[in-house]
Amino acid sequence: EVQLVESGGGLVQPGGSLTLSCAASGFTVSNSYMTWVRQPPGQGLEWVSLIYSGGSTYSADSVKGRFTISRDNSKNTLFLQMNSLRIEDTAVYYCARRREYCSPTSCQTYFDTWGQGTLVTVSS
Amino acid sequence: DIQMTQSPSSLSASVGDRVTITCRAGQTIRNYLNWYQQRPGKAPKLLIYAASNLQSGVPSRFSGSGSGTDFTLTITTLQPEDFATYYCQQSFSLPITFGQGTRLEIK
Repeated sequence: EVQLVESGGGLVQPGGSLTLSCAASGFTVSNSYMTWVRQPPGQGLEWVSLIYSGGSTYSADSVKGRFTISRDNSKNTLFLQMNSLRIEDTAVYYCARRREYCSPTSCQTYFDTWGQGTLVTVSS
Repeated sequence: DIQMTQSPSSLSASVGDRVTITCRAGQTIRNYLNWYQQRPGKAPKLLIYAASNLQSGVPSRFSGSGSGTDFTLTITTLQPEDFATYYCQQSFSLPITFGQGTRLEIK
């Protein structure tokens, strides 16, 4: 069974750091495009960061320079290192796996598997 | 960034009804559009990918259509478990963006 389990959330003061983990089972993280998506309390979904199978990474402007996405292939685990945390970073953080669908004319991507989420609260 | 706008933001309906949710992209995204369902306290769940393809295991009462900038998610014969929030998401270009969500409530 394909599964993602996040951990590492908690309460942190503004300016602090936290590392989230996302343990995968049923597939290989290193062969997949993985992403982090967050959801502030009572609000919608916001894409945060992604890592391609080749290792390239991209992040939203709101977290660029503060958050780093990475993976440990030996542990089949995805990480999100979060530094210089701000109150507005308070959210449930989800990791998700991307899949690809190709038609004769194009290839599409979508997130087919999501973790249960881990809550990060930034507050003094 | 490609802005995704859903309408309505909330919707009240009854079990057995047919409902349609609209998603409009700020620029053409061809058919690079996915739909997700999120129940309270749960992770999003993929319903439709590439605008009109039903994800495996999703009931056939869900369907998607559209191309370019205008897309729709239709749910026929609403069931009690369908009352949730629905999000569209574009995969045409980075940054990935989501619509603001449509909350489907029981009338």
